Amino acid sequence: DGGITQSPKYLFRKEGQNVTLSCEQNLNHDAMYWYRQDPGQGLRLIYYSQIVNDFQKGDIAEGYSVSREKKESFPLTVTSAQKNPTAFYLCASSNYGELFFGEGSRLTVL
Amino acid sequence: DQQVKQNSPSLSVQEGRISILNCDYTNSMFDYFLWYKKYPAEGPTFLISISSIKDKNEDGRFTVFLNKSAKHLSLHIVPSQPGDSAVYFCAAADSGYSTLTFGKGTMLLVSP
Repeated sequence: DGGITQSPKYLFRKEGQNVTLSCEQNLNHDAMYWYRQDPGQGLRLIYYSQIVNDFQKGDIAEGYSVSREKKESFPLTVTSAQKNPTAFYLCASSNYGELFFGEGSRLTVL
Repeated sequence: DQQVKQNSPSLSVQEGRISILNCDYTNSMFDYFLWYKKYPAEGPTFLISISSIKDKNEDGRFTVFLNKSAKHLSLHIVPSQPGDSAVYFCAAADSGYSTLTFGKGTMLLVSP
């Protein structure tokens, strides 16, 4: 079954802790993306990667980090420097047509 | 500065009637436009797209219209069904297509 898998679906974090969200795709897509959704804000781009070992900052990259060591994987780390980390995080991939999204990960900072 | 704007946060329509969702953009470099549908706590799913060489694209009950001179596009759903109730996002990309820029979404409620 081809698709994008995000894990965990729900995650709780204490303030000051880093947390890593997993994103794996088996669609053989070159490009992968991380978006954040907040109520009334739509989808805002955090980071994207068009090729292995390369990635670019999106509109709201501060407090986040990514890696792209494998074509299939694009994990996102939410660091303690991110001031408002509580949000719904969406990973997506594409071959420059439409984006295919994962089911999302909801992060709550306690 | 929002480059893709969906000025209606919500829209209510009766089942069987037409739903019209609107989207405006400011970046004249955008030439590929997409609509996504999203249910709560799920990822968005692709609905329909249109490139700037066309002014209309149709797929079943969904039709997207593009007015390049007005920098405006709209999604028509006919007939609307209760299962269409969701948030609809408009998105745009330029010819380089490195990323998509999304609007803030419009929540559509179709009542029986």
